[in-house]
Amino acid sequence: GENVEQHPSTLSVQEGDSAVIKCTYSDSASNYFPWYKQELGKRPQLIIDIRSNVGEKKDQRIAVTLNKTAKHFSLHITETQPEDSAVYFCAASYEGKLIFGQGTTLQVKP
Amino acid sequence: SAVISQKPSRDICQRGTSLTIQCQVDSQVTMMFWYRQQPGQSLTLIATANQGSEATYESGFVIDKFPISRPNLTFSTLTVSNMSPEDSSIYLCSADRGRGEKLFFGSGTQLSVL
Repeated sequence: GENVEQHPSTLSVQEGDSAVIKCTYSDSASNYFPWYKQELGKRPQLIIDIRSNVGEKKDQRIAVTLNKTAKHFSLHITETQPEDSAVYFCAASYEGKLIFGQGTTLQVKP
Repeated sequence: SAVISQKPSRDICQRGTSLTIQCQVDSQVTMMFWYRQQPGQSLTLIATANQGSEATYESGFVIDKFPISRPNLTFSTLTVSNMSPEDSSIYLCSADRGRGEKLFFGSGTQLSVL
């Protein structure tokens, strides 16, 4: 089955800096890659997603890139703000279901 | 997006008892899923709740322990049976209108087993 690896497990940046989280997946049949943000005590919220026929997608300060050949995708957050502090999960769609990475705890220091 | 209501939001249960979690979606959805999130961990898929047929369980999860119902396209339940402290987790219901895409989550059920 599908396996999703996510790095780093923790990431600390200064406010205004950029943050990058990387994920790799194992099954080349996966074709949809969402990213979720989970604040403490809350449900995961979809923040951006990308399909396999697209290499990059942007939404304001957030962007996701996909390299199908290498089977990896990344989340880029620019001009980070303290409210970006949360746990971020990547996922890959496999046989109609989402398999999640291990999560990255992002801390943005003011 | 879909609005997903889940209840109870939290419960404290005794070892050996069972708890049923309910999930209601505000519109008809194709797929409903149940995830478990153990403390400080990622989300692990328990099963896909299939309307009109038995749920499809992932490796490591069995129907006797986690029976699931899905009587219609907007509602599902997950029962955690014969609970032990190892079952203490957040249980999340999720739904989407496609094949596992645009997945939205309920608010979760924080379960503590004593």
